Amino acid sequence: GDSVTQMEGPVTLSEEAFLTINCTYTATGYPSLFWYVQYPGEGLQLLLKATKADDKGSNKGFEATYRKETTSFHLEKGSVQVSDSAVYFCALSDGAGGTSYGKLTFGQGTILTVHP
Amino acid sequence: DAGITQSPRHKVTETGTPVTLRCHQTENHRYMYWYRQDPGHGLRLIHYSYGVKDTDKGEVSDGYSVSRSKTEDFLLTLESATSSQTSVYFCAISEASRGYNSPLHFGNGTRLTVT
Repeated sequence: GDSVTQMEGPVTLSEEAFLTINCTYTATGYPSLFWYVQYPGEGLQLLLKATKADDKGSNKGFEATYRKETTSFHLEKGSVQVSDSAVYFCALSDGAGGTSYGKLTFGQGTILTVHP
Repeated sequence: DAGITQSPRHKVTETGTPVTLRCHQTENHRYMYWYRQDPGHGLRLIHYSYGVKDTDKGEVSDGYSVSRSKTEDFLLTLESATSSQTSVYFCAISEASRGYNSPLHFGNGTRLTVT
């Protein structure tokens, strides 16, 4: 079945440091890929998405590129802020349509802490 | 923000008791989902619904049942709670009209502790 693997955490950075969180996936067909962010005490929010190979999703300074050849969707940000401290989840949708619609498979999550 | 309300927000219950969690949406979305979040596992799908009275199992459905008698409400029931069901439960909804790439919108979760 489909699966998503994220780099082990937690990740601790100083403000303005460069961030990379690795994500690789296993899926049949042509999945869509997502990054979600969860702030303390809240539900998950969509951060960015990519729907086909070589697409780049971006939002709030974060970027991720859908790499079919390496089955990866790594999250990057050039300069993190304290407010970026959260849990980040990589996810995929199998895109099978019909009653498979919308179901997501999530990675285990990566805790990011940014210090001033 | 998508109008999703989960209740209760926190619940402590004893092993063997039944528990029902409620998800209420004001978006009139067709698709609704229940996930559980556990450390090291991310989010795992319990059950989902693709319409009123239309539901199906996810990857961790054992010990759970669901019902959807109205578009806006999706109930998750633990018939006889066990300690392994201690978790944070999230409801999510999906915008069917935008196709299968549409993101999920999540509620703020219910923290359930089974003692």
